[in-house]
Formats: sequence, C-alpha cells, structure tokens
Amino acid sequence: GAVVSQHPSRVICKSGTSVKIECRSLDFQATTMFWYRQFPKQSLMLMATSNEGSKATYEQGVEKDKFLINHASLTLSTLTVTSAHPEDSSFYICSASGPGGETQYFGPGTRLLVL
Amino acid sequence: SQQGEEDPQALSIQEGENATMNCSYKTSINNLQWYRQNSGRGLVHLILIRSNEREKHSGRLRVTLDTSKKSSSLLITASRAADTASYFCATDARGSARQLTFGSGTQLTVLP
Repeated sequence: GAVVSQHPSRVICKSGTSVKIECRSLDFQATTMFWYRQFPKQSLMLMATSNEGSKATYEQGVEKDKFLINHASLTLSTLTVTSAHPEDSSFYICSASGPGGETQYFGPGTRLLVL
Repeated sequence: SQQGEEDPQALSIQEGENATMNCSYKTSINNLQWYRQNSGRGLVHLILIRSNEREKHSGRLRVTLDTSKKSSSLLITASRAADTASYFCATDARGSARQLTFGSGTQLTVLP
C-alpha cells in the first residue's frame, strides 16, 4: 500500500518558537494532502486541505497565519506552527490521496509539546 | 466539526469473541471508511464501503452500511489481543472535496 511519512515524529520546543512538520508521500503522487490535529483520547479534527501548487483551505476556527501550510510538490507538504504556545501541544497527523483517490493514507503523526 | 458518533466509546472483550462497533453520521456520503489507530500512532486504513454498497468483507472484518439510517457497523470476528486499538469511522461527504470527517472512535481492548 501507499506510504506516507512524517518528520519529525516528536518535537519539544519552547513557547514562542516555530516548528515545521514535513509530510511526504513516498511511493505515489499526492495531489491532495490533509492536516489533522488530535488531542488526547479524542478524534481527529481536520485543520486544512492542501492541493499541490495552490493555497490551502482551512477549516473554520483554524488560523491560517498560525498554521502555515505549503504544498510545493506532489510528494511534500509542510505544516509550520508559528509562535507555538502550550495550547498548540497536540498530535498532528497528515494524510495524502492520489488523483481521484478515495482512500487517504495517513502518516505516523508528529507529537508536539510546547513548554 | 465531528460528523458522527460511535458507540460504544469503549469495549472490552475476551480473545476469540466478536467485537461490534457502530457509527452514525449526519449528511449524505460518497463512502464511509474505517480506520484503526494504535496508541500514539498514525491511522491504518481498514476498509472502505461506498454509498451504494450494503456490506463488505475483508478477512476478519465485516462492515455494513445503512444509508437510510445513516449508520454503519464494523464487526471483528475471532478477536485477538493484537486487535486492541482505537477504531474510527470516517465519512467522505458528497461535495466535500474528499475531506474526511471522523467519528468519535471506539477504544477496543481484547483481553488475552
């Protein structure tokens, strides 16, 4: 099956710093990538949808200036959490789908802890 | 926002027993998918059922879909301790540009 990787797998940073998370589709071209956030013992909440070469579409309540998304190629999307605060601590998961693909393939997630 | 609810929220069974999880959703869908998540890990795609399908099988998994009731069920037969995980349903709603909306999840514990 299709493989999606994320890097880093976990990151600890100080409040006020910016953190970049990478999401890569390893063996297929991902026309669309999705970013989710998951708090402990909760479900996944979609943050934004990103299509290669165009601006991301953010869900209601997600600040686009705080969560910068770049989908510069068909195999890479990045999420940058700018000026991170403790309340941004969460598990961030990306997924990717190919052209016309019904199935989303999920990355292993990145655990962010902001001190 | 969360589209659907899953029940039960938590389920604990003995190895060898069957586990049934239910999912309800609110809007018209293209398909419904079930995913599994081990603690602190990413999601693994289990099975996809389209809106014009009523039942689908994959190994020990059986999924049903009732679009009139806007509900789905996932049955895991002959459960194993390794099946212990959280299970989520996710709907691909019509007109949603393939965005998935996840249910609240069921935490399944299979006791050896």
